Amino acid sequence: EVQLVESGGGLVQPGGSLRLSCSASGFTFSSCALHWVRQAPGKGLDYVSAISTNGGTTYYADSVNGRFTISRDNSKSTLYLQMSSLRVEDTAVYYCVKASDTSYRLLDYWGQGTLVTVSS
Amino acid sequence: EIVLTQSPGTLSLSPGERATLSCRASQSISSSYLAWYQQKPGQAPRLLIYGASSRATGIPDRFSGSGSGTDFTLTISRLEPEDCAVYYCQHYGSSRMYTFGQGTKLEIK
Repeated sequence: EVQLVESGGGLVQPGGSLRLSCSASGFTFSSCALHWVRQAPGKGLDYVSAISTNGGTTYYADSVNGRFTISRDNSKSTLYLQMSSLRVEDTAVYYCVKASDTSYRLLDYWGQGTLVTVSS
Repeated sequence: EIVLTQSPGTLSLSPGERATLSCRASQSISSSYLAWYQQKPGQAPRLLIYGASSRATGIPDRFSGSGSGTDFTLTISRLEPEDCAVYYCQHYGSSRMYTFGQGTKLEIK
């Protein structure tokens, strides 16, 4: 069974930093692209970032480019999202998402999410 | 940039009825890269449909997708109370675009 468990969320002040982690199991971690998608309270889904199987290729939404860094450790089956220069509008539940085996852009399994609150 | 517009915003139907949810793209997109997700209250989204019409693993055949070009549809036949959720469409056709629609909320009376 595929499991994705996010951690690291919490309350942080504007301008601060936070690192999210996503521990994965139930599939061949090193063979799958991975993504982060967020959802502000009461709002829709907002794509954040993606990383290729070996970490060599990454993608960022314009809204987080230059502030967030996605990375992965295939030896630990763990995905990360380093967030810096956080803004109030970054407040959201952040989901770790696995890509399908057949399309690295298709989001086939989602974690339960971790809440990040940016507030003074 | 491709914009996906979903309609209606909210749909209220009774158990046993059929639901028809629409997703319209601002320009023609390949049906190979159109997905639908279901998000129940308090839960993470779940993949329902990919490639516009293929059901994901474990999704009952009450859920079906169709469409091409700019107009796509998610149909849920024989509604059940557990289908109460927000449904999102998504275009995943480019490595630099992962656009989501704004969602349709389905209420079961």
